[in-house]
Amino acid sequence: SYELTQPPSVSVSPGQTASITCSGDKLGDKNAFWYQQKPGQSPVLVIFQDNKRPSGIPERFSGSNSDNTAALTISGTQALDEADYYCQAWDSSTAIFGGGTRLTVL
Amino acid sequence: QVQLVQSGAEVKKPGASVKVSCKASGYTFTSYAMHWVRQAPGQRLEWMGWINRGNGNTKSSQKFQDRVTITRDTSASTAYMELSSLRSEDTAVYYCARETISAAGVYYYYYGMDVWGQGTTVTVSS
Repeated sequence: SYELTQPPSVSVSPGQTASITCSGDKLGDKNAFWYQQKPGQSPVLVIFQDNKRPSGIPERFSGSNSDNTAALTISGTQALDEADYYCQAWDSSTAIFGGGTRLTVL
Repeated sequence: QVQLVQSGAEVKKPGASVKVSCKASGYTFTSYAMHWVRQAPGQRLEWMGWINRGNGNTKSSQKFQDRVTITRDTSASTAYMELSSLRSEDTAVYYCARETISAAGVYYYYYGMDVWGQGTTVTVSS
């Protein structure tokens, strides 16, 4: 079955750029989606179709996807960006989520 | 405003079934597909299945296809997820989430799960 792999944790200083990767076989041939989840809250869509931002998502969130790796980049990271981030893709009509990455802003 | 409101927490015994509801408001219910996603304590999000916006056809993850039933009542703008033969490993928060999914021939185009319910905690314990 298809798998998406994310680093368990990423740390970033306030104001710096954070990058979270998501790896999967030929992931670049699929669309990647990214969700932000804060403790005790429901997930929020932050990137869809590799690099598109839903209405209301700040411009500091961007995405890319090629070959076997998708990436979520947060520029000028703020304390309120501290959360778990999950990548997601579709394979054989099944939605697959990555294991999640805890972003710490310190 | 657009929202999905789910039913309240449930406590079930092993072997029982649970049915979670998800009431949509603020948008045209039949214009979006509805997914069910669960999250066990400290674990990743796990997709269970979805119901098509048009004809109400469903597709479930292979992991759950023998135990999960996804339905909807369009007159009530409500989707339902029923999980049977519960076991302790089914203890989780269950979410509904809508998505725009368009079809072109045999291909589907996905636009992301853009609105989520607040989650329903299901505890399975003897």
